[in-house]
Amino acid sequence: SQQGEEDPQALSIQEGENATMNCSYKTSINNLQWYRQNSGRGLVHLILIRSNEREKHSGRLRVTLDTSKKSSSLLITASRAADTASYFCATGGSQGNLIFGKGTKLSVKP
Amino acid sequence: EAGVTQSPTHLIKTRGQQATLRCSPISGHTSVYWYQQALGLGLQFLLWYDEGEERNRGNFPPRFSGRQFPNYSSELNVNALELEDSALYLCASSLASGSLSSYNEQFFGPGTRLTVL
Repeated sequence: SQQGEEDPQALSIQEGENATMNCSYKTSINNLQWYRQNSGRGLVHLILIRSNEREKHSGRLRVTLDTSKKSSSLLITASRAADTASYFCATGGSQGNLIFGKGTKLSVKP
Repeated sequence: EAGVTQSPTHLIKTRGQQATLRCSPISGHTSVYWYQQALGLGLQFLLWYDEGEERNRGNFPPRFSGRQFPNYSSELNVNALELEDSALYLCASSLASGSLSSYNEQFFGPGTRLTVL
């Protein structure tokens, strides 16, 4: 079952622009994680934000979490062509697993 | 520090055969998770192993099974392969989970692409 739903499904921007992706989820969470996947390869862990945090930064990444709205956003500033990938949010499932959304496909044009 | 490794990178089998996929976690991680990423279906949880025990499994038939070895590496076996088993199989590892809260970050390997003909 899908817990997170990313929005938009696809995003195309120019290099240097900012990219914002949103994620909504259904149940209460302990944390929310964002991952990147390049062309059907493995997932790269980007950032984890705990339920008692509202914002977290890592390099050019900024993640916000609004537990009252059950939503999170990932902002990539000054995007580069190398940021082209699919981005997924994931929340903890009741079975010890992660439940992933369907992802946002980001295309950054040089 | 070495990340999660998986082998083989690609695997081609025919219907009815068995497939064995392998995963080595990050050193110090005792939990291993398996996920299936089939086209159009997203990432689906398969199995979770911790300290050699199967802790939980997703909504998959019993022909999907596995085990975790004393060195925490893991094997996923898929018996009686069907065409719809064609997918990218991802393994992830994390530090021990004391509860089902999945509080720890999971780190993923590059995946094994299984093609069933």
